[in-house]
Amino acid sequence: GDSVTQMEGPVTLSEEAFLTINCTYTATGYPSLFWYVQYPGEGLQLLLKATKADDKGSNKGFEATYRKETTSFHLEKGSVQVSDSAVYFCALRNFGNEKLTFGTGTRLTIIP
Amino acid sequence: GAVVSQHPSWVICKSGTSVKIECRSLDFQATTMFWYRQFPKQSLMLMATSNEGSKATYEQGVEKDKFLINHASLTLSTLTVTSAHPEDSSFYICSAPLKLESYNEQFFGPGTRLTVL
Repeated sequence: GDSVTQMEGPVTLSEEAFLTINCTYTATGYPSLFWYVQYPGEGLQLLLKATKADDKGSNKGFEATYRKETTSFHLEKGSVQVSDSAVYFCALRNFGNEKLTFGTGTRLTIIP
Repeated sequence: GAVVSQHPSWVICKSGTSVKIECRSLDFQATTMFWYRQFPKQSLMLMATSNEGSKATYEQGVEKDKFLINHASLTLSTLTVTSAHPEDSSFYICSAPLKLESYNEQFFGPGTRLTVL
């Protein structure tokens, strides 16, 4: 079945540091890939997505590239801010299916 | 953007009692909603798909008589944990899809933390 393996946290970085959160997946077919973010006390929000190989999703300075050859979708940001502190979830959805399969989530804390 | 609410945000109950959790799409209609369960430091596990006007579809291993789902209207789905036990303590999250251009985006509620004593 489908699965998502995500870098375990928690991750603590200083402000303006470079961020990478690793995500790899196993899926049948051709899934779409997502990163969701959950800020304290709020629901999950879509951060970015990619629907096919070599697509790059980007939003709020975050980027992730759909790498079919390595079955990966790593999240990166060049310079993190305190406001980026949240839990980040990698997820996939197979074509024609509304169901999302999530990774375990990575808690990110940015210190000033 | 679209908003999904959940009520209550947290609940504590005694073992053996039943607890109802509501999920509402506030500014859009949803014929389908999803219910997830999240254990500490674990991913969200899909429990069931709630379908307006018909029976819910449960994932393998989820007891349908334990977790009753009712999709009463196009903006409301409820999850009732019947005869709750301490092992049912968890964080329950719902989501609803909204079609944006050619893509269905999932909007999530803030979750409900259930503690069974």
